[in-house]
Amino acid sequence: AQSVTQLGSHVSVSEGALVLLRCNYSSSVPPYLFWYVQYPNQGLQLLLKYTSAATLVKGINGFEAEFKKSETSFHLTKPSAHMSDAAEYFCAVSENDYKLSFGAGTTVTVRA
Amino acid sequence: KAGVTQTPRYLIKTRGQQVTLSCSPISGHRSVSWYQQTPGQGLQFLFEYFSETQRNKGNFPGRFSGRQFSNSRSEMNVSTLELGDSALYLCASSRETAYNEQFFGPGTRLTVL
Repeated sequence: AQSVTQLGSHVSVSEGALVLLRCNYSSSVPPYLFWYVQYPNQGLQLLLKYTSAATLVKGINGFEAEFKKSETSFHLTKPSAHMSDAAEYFCAVSENDYKLSFGAGTTVTVRA
Repeated sequence: KAGVTQTPRYLIKTRGQQVTLSCSPISGHRSVSWYQQTPGQGLQFLFEYFSETQRNKGNFPGRFSGRQFSNSRSEMNVSTLELGDSALYLCASSRETAYNEQFFGPGTRLTVL
């Protein structure tokens, strides 16, 4: 079975600083990997996805992620944090055509 | 176009009761998935339906069931509610598979007393 580990349940950054959220996966086959964001009292919104076309994936709101097979990682970054980036972020892997397996999530707070 | 809608948004039930949650996917989406979100267990996959057929099921007891109608709308039912069933239940729709982008609804917040 495929699984996802997100390192760090909480991350606090200053406005304008780099945001780095870590995600490692385990998979016996080439995975489909996703990052989702959840704002309070809302559902999840897709930030970006990796489907083997390119190792560096650009998403919405200035986020990007790099797939590193040798490290089994798919870390999410944003060069400059904005107050509106405060939310919970989930890394997910597609186990097959029919489901996503999510990490435990990382809550991001942005300090003014 | 309209997003994924879930009704009701909030529910309060007592132990032993049953509950039915509804999800209307984005027009043209034929795959509907359900997830349970709790602080302790995180996001867990319940089941996925495509063209009225359940293609995959998560590791939940038989008290959790679902179905999909010919218009792709889906319902999930939880019978004999337990306190531990209190959670946010999220529905997501996609065109064909989980490889496509899944669009999530706002969820139904179920509280079991």
